[in-house]
Amino acid sequence: GIQVEQSPPDLILQEGANSTLRCNFSDSVNNLQWFHQNPWGQLINLFYIPSGTKQNGRLSATTVATERYSLLYISSSQTTDSGVYFCAVVEETSGSRLTFGEGTQLTVNP
Amino acid sequence: EPEVTQTPSHQVTQMGQEVILRCVPISNHLYFYWYRQILGQKVEFLVSFYNNEISEKSEIFDDQFSVERPDGSNFTLKIRSTKLEDSAMYFCASRRDSNTEAFFGQGTRLTVV
Repeated sequence: GIQVEQSPPDLILQEGANSTLRCNFSDSVNNLQWFHQNPWGQLINLFYIPSGTKQNGRLSATTVATERYSLLYISSSQTTDSGVYFCAVVEETSGSRLTFGEGTQLTVNP
Repeated sequence: EPEVTQTPSHQVTQMGQEVILRCVPISNHLYFYWYRQILGQKVEFLVSFYNNEISEKSEIFDDQFSVERPDGSNFTLKIRSTKLEDSAMYFCASRRDSNTEAFFGQGTRLTVV
């Protein structure tokens, strides 16, 4: 099955800093989503982005499907951005299930 | 905004007991899923359900597990004879069709003691 690798595994920032999270995948995909898991365990949809670039406030994401990676940018980070960020993909030849990466644990300090 | 809802939010059960986790997917969605997340680990796929039948399942989804859509709104996951290692957060998800955005419920935290 498809492999999804996220980097870095852990990231500690000061409030106001910018960051880039990366997601690499090993095969062609037709669906890619970014999620934020908050301290209560909820998975919050950030982006549905199988290709191209999207922006939502301080967050933006870019997926280059032909090179099998996606990037999530967080600008002017806030303490409420803390949590785990997951990338998840649907392999092109394999049904509709999402395969998740291991996640990036982000801590934003005041 | 429509959302996927799960009940209960927490469940504690004795080892060997059966539990039923409940989900109400978004109303015009056709594809339904269960995932689980053991504490500190990544989210793992269990099963997908479409057109009133299982369309995919992982190797985790063995005879101990079953899913059902008993009516037009609910989607349930039954775990028989629970084991300590079944303790996890269980997420329900739905999507309108196979190539659209998936939305997740808030999860049910299952603790087997």
